[in-house]
Amino acid sequence: QKEVEQDPGPLSVPEGAIVSLNCTYSNSAFQYFMWYRQYSRKGPELLMYTYSSGNKEDGRFTAQVDKSSKYISLFIRDSQPSDSATYLCAMSPMDSNYQLIWGAGTKLIIKP
Amino acid sequence: NAGVTQTPKFRILKIGQSMTLQCTQDMNHNYMYWYRQDPGMGLKLIYYSVGAGITDKGEVPNGYNVSRSTTEDFPLRLELAAPSQTSVYFCASSATVTSGNTIYFGEGSWLTVV
Repeated sequence: QKEVEQDPGPLSVPEGAIVSLNCTYSNSAFQYFMWYRQYSRKGPELLMYTYSSGNKEDGRFTAQVDKSSKYISLFIRDSQPSDSATYLCAMSPMDSNYQLIWGAGTKLIIKP
Repeated sequence: NAGVTQTPKFRILKIGQSMTLQCTQDMNHNYMYWYRQDPGMGLKLIYYSVGAGITDKGEVPNGYNVSRSTTEDFPLRLELAAPSQTSVYFCASSATVTSGNTIYFGEGSWLTVV
């Protein structure tokens, strides 16, 4: 069983829809949670960072962490075709990039 | 700033050949990383470096070697290439090691071993 699970998709939604992307994990020690976006044939880029539980909002993006359920989510409001990409979650038990465990990613397609 | 630059972008190797993936960054970051990304799998850390002259193994170091002679450069060496090393390789860097600090990735190197 993978430590971090993501539905690979593709998830296809119409432009303007609210998108929900999720990761589940098995290690209750994870405290640091990140979402990265990866466009086709490009490297990942950091979207959101959250420590421990709770919500964090940045523009159209909201990250949620539910440690009791070992579940994190990324919500995208007013989705745009430019949001079409693969979304990777990453998490770590310690405050260290060396120990990040990455999900395999969910491919998102926003239809104009 | 160019950020993190990797070369080559694409390469086909024969089994048993060796090659070096080049990586350079112009952000004066101390921390550099090499990852591989395989279909259906999360990024796996191969090696990392905390500064010039200092490197350490990540999760999947077997079959690879690295060096860090300068702050800017962090080449990854594949010795005796095997089909299992067919993957997409990403070099990355960050200013600090803390989890919330952005990791900047290169555009990737697609390697096929036949």
